Amino acid sequence: GAVVSQHPSWVICKSGTSVKIECRSLDFQATTMFWYRQFPKQSLMLMATSNEGSKATYEQGVEKDKFLINHASLTLSTLTVTSAHPEDSSFYICSATTGKYVGQYFGPGTRLTVT
Amino acid sequence: GENVEQHPSTLSVQEGDSAVIKCTYSDSASNYFPWYKQELGKRPQLIIDIRSNVGEKKDQRIAVTLNKTAKHFSLHITETQPEDSAVYFCAAIRSGAGSYQLTFGKGTKLSVIP
Repeated sequence: GAVVSQHPSWVICKSGTSVKIECRSLDFQATTMFWYRQFPKQSLMLMATSNEGSKATYEQGVEKDKFLINHASLTLSTLTVTSAHPEDSSFYICSATTGKYVGQYFGPGTRLTVT
Repeated sequence: GENVEQHPSTLSVQEGDSAVIKCTYSDSASNYFPWYKQELGKRPQLIIDIRSNVGEKKDQRIAVTLNKTAKHFSLHITETQPEDSAVYFCAAIRSGAGSYQLTFGKGTKLSVIP
């Protein structure tokens, strides 16, 4: 149980375009979802926390208008990287909590490459 | 906010030896401490966790110890195997009363040499 999926796994896009990444909890209702960014050989950096039906809480330094997060249901959260640039290239991972387990279940990640 | 320090950043051990990774945290209100293993390009996988009311927990070759007074916790892997090679992250979670915060350590790259 407690499976989190992400789509797509890998995306290459041109500079200036927008990319949407989906995060789904497959067998549970996620009370809270988290979006992380991970650069090579570095730890996970929390970008934002989102609760279903409310606005996401962004971490300091993360641009809200660039990284749009929508948490429309208890099983789906989306991250849209708007007007992507090469420096946005990274590994983006989502995670979710169930409310029963205090830890987080992680998605498989999405590797974004902006050319 | 919480600050989690993790050491060492890299660790190489011979197959069969033990590996120890240590983390310290700053927020005494943190009450849950998971350890994650992340292989290259993959998601972090929970390998063991410990709550603040427990001092030690063991699961086969993996154990975690927690010293609340000193605010540090450690991961111990015995009889290491090549498949243990990965990056390990500790984390400190403060959960309760409508609040939730998870802070990761910077990671330890473990290499097990056959």
